[in-house]
Amino acid sequence: QKEVEQDPGPLSVPEGAIVSLNCTYSNSAFQYFMWYRQYSRKGPELLMYTYSSGNKEDGRFTAQVDKSSKYISLFIRDSQPSDSATYLCAMISNRDDKIIFGKGTRLHILP
Amino acid sequence: GAGVSQSPRYKVAKRGQDVALRCDPISGHVSLFWYQQALGQGPEFLTYFQNEAQLDKSGLPSDRFFAERPEGSVSTLKIQRTQQEDSAVYLCASSPARGGQAGIHEQYFGPGTRLTVT
Repeated sequence: QKEVEQDPGPLSVPEGAIVSLNCTYSNSAFQYFMWYRQYSRKGPELLMYTYSSGNKEDGRFTAQVDKSSKYISLFIRDSQPSDSATYLCAMISNRDDKIIFGKGTRLHILP
Repeated sequence: GAGVSQSPRYKVAKRGQDVALRCDPISGHVSLFWYQQALGQGPEFLTYFQNEAQLDKSGLPSDRFFAERPEGSVSTLKIQRTQQEDSAVYLCASSPARGGQAGIHEQYFGPGTRLTVT
């Protein structure tokens, strides 16, 4: 079992819909939880991060972390075609500085 | 300001050739990371530098992989005797934080070098 599991998709939703992306993990030492967005042939771009459990909102994006269930989510409201990309969940433990990434979910927002 | 840059953007190598991939981090960033991203996968950690010191190289897949950052800024990832399984995108990331500090999670990625070994 990999440390971080993420459904690769693809996930296709109509413009304006709410998108829900999620990951599960197995390492209880993870403390920072991030979401990166990666467009084709570009490097990952940090969207949001959360330290430990809780929710964080930034514009149309909301990140949630449930450490008791080892489950994290990213919600995108009022989705736009420009949100079409691969979304990578990522985590860092309190023991080292390596980011552990999920496989990424390919998201298509249909106009 | 300039972000992380990498060169070349694309590299085709014949099996057995040596390659060198360059990373120019954001100026003043202390920490530098290399990752390997295979097709359809998330990036996987290769190695980490704090200034010129290579503090973690546990992700390097074999002794054919070597990385350096001699003056604490530009870094080079070298792959000797390339194999087909080395085909991937190699990503470099930098961070203003030191290892163990809050903020190390904020890593800024370059566009990557796509290596194809034929």
